[in-house]
Amino acid sequence: GENVEQHPSTLSVQEGDSAVIKCTYSDSASNYFPWYKQELGKRPQLIIDIRSNVGEKKDQRIAVTLNKTAKHFSLHITETQPEDSAVYFCAASSGSARQLTFGSGTQLTVLP
Amino acid sequence: DAMVIQNPRYQVTQFGKPVTLSCSQTLNHNVMYWYQQKSSQAPKLLFHYYDKDFNNEADTPDNFQSRRPNTSFCFLDIRSPGLGDAAMYLCATSRDWGSYEQYFGPGTRLTVT
Repeated sequence: GENVEQHPSTLSVQEGDSAVIKCTYSDSASNYFPWYKQELGKRPQLIIDIRSNVGEKKDQRIAVTLNKTAKHFSLHITETQPEDSAVYFCAASSGSARQLTFGSGTQLTVLP
Repeated sequence: DAMVIQNPRYQVTQFGKPVTLSCSQTLNHNVMYWYQQKSSQAPKLLFHYYDKDFNNEADTPDNFQSRRPNTSFCFLDIRSPGLGDAAMYLCATSRDWGSYEQYFGPGTRLTVT
């Protein structure tokens, strides 16, 4: 089955700096890679996703890059703000898979 | 507009006393999932349904059961809760298997005393 590794487990950045979270996956058939943000006590919410037919996707301050050859994908947050502080989960899935495989999560803290 | 609704939001039960958590959705999605989440760990999949086709994960304890009487509703039954079952229980829906976004409900925080 799929295995997703996520690094780092914790990340602290100064407000205005960039943050990068990296994930690797094992199943070459995986073709869907979402990123979820979960604030304390709240539901996971999709912030961006990418499919294997593109290498990069951007939405305002958030971008995701995908390297299919190396089987890794990354979340980039620019101009971080205190409200970006949360736990971020990457995930991977293939068209035939019945579920998402989540990474272990990254606690991002943006220091004012 | 609420799309995935979970009730109750907070549930306190006694050790060994059965409890039922409910989930409903207005998205008309085919797939519904139940996850258990502890602390800031990744959600752990317990069950999923494609319509009424039920699938449980191999490591889901027998103490956990689920029902999906119709497209909109899904229930999680914990027959004899133990202290280790205290967690956030998340319901999610998806249009189809695999490469589709999952929409999460707000979760039910279960406390076992």
